[in-house]
Amino acid sequence: LAKTTQPISMDSYEGQEVNITCSHNNIATNDYITWYQQFPSQGPRFIIQGYKTKVTNEVASLFIPADRKSSTLSLPRVSLSDTAVYYCLVAMQGNTPLVFGKGTRLSVIA
Amino acid sequence: SQTIHQWPATLVQPVGSPLSLECTVEGTSNPNLYWYRQAAGRGLQLLFYSVGIGQISSEVPQNLSASRPQDRQFILSSKKLLLSDSGFYLCAWSARQETQYFGPGTRLLVL
Repeated sequence: LAKTTQPISMDSYEGQEVNITCSHNNIATNDYITWYQQFPSQGPRFIIQGYKTKVTNEVASLFIPADRKSSTLSLPRVSLSDTAVYYCLVAMQGNTPLVFGKGTRLSVIA
Repeated sequence: SQTIHQWPATLVQPVGSPLSLECTVEGTSNPNLYWYRQAAGRGLQLLFYSVGIGQISSEVPQNLSASRPQDRQFILSSKKLLLSDSGFYLCAWSARQETQYFGPGTRLLVL
């Protein structure tokens, strides 16, 4: 399973755009990039998933360069409620179990 | 739509006592099922996963075990709890070739 590296923590003010970058140098051809959000005492919540280029949904955007060795989760205009831990995972879809790192702890400040 | 349930939500157990945590999924058939543990302030550690009834794969050797008696039921057990078993236990499910979705979790405190 590809190993991922992401910042341990980030701070942001309300209303700003937040970009969290994840490095995955050993990503395989069949791997997808998935991001989860976790609030204290809750299970991780799926945010977005992509394979290449750009993916956008109602919550976030995911930018993946052509070499796929990194990806960036973009959260537009964050609010206090976006304070959480964000996990980047790289794996094949399907039966392959996910491997979670320590994630990035985002703190949004008023 | 699919939903995943875990119970109990919280549990306080003495060292050496048995454990049984239950996870059920509704609205899907033949899901992959997973048990994770999260220690305080740490990332998630995969404990067990199952691709079908009676099929269990263990990722980490320990005093825990898992069983899947029915298609949409996944049980995490222990015969004798250790202090180190304290943590936040999460069950997850996925359809074949799809993303994993997590339950609300069970917080276990072993005293």
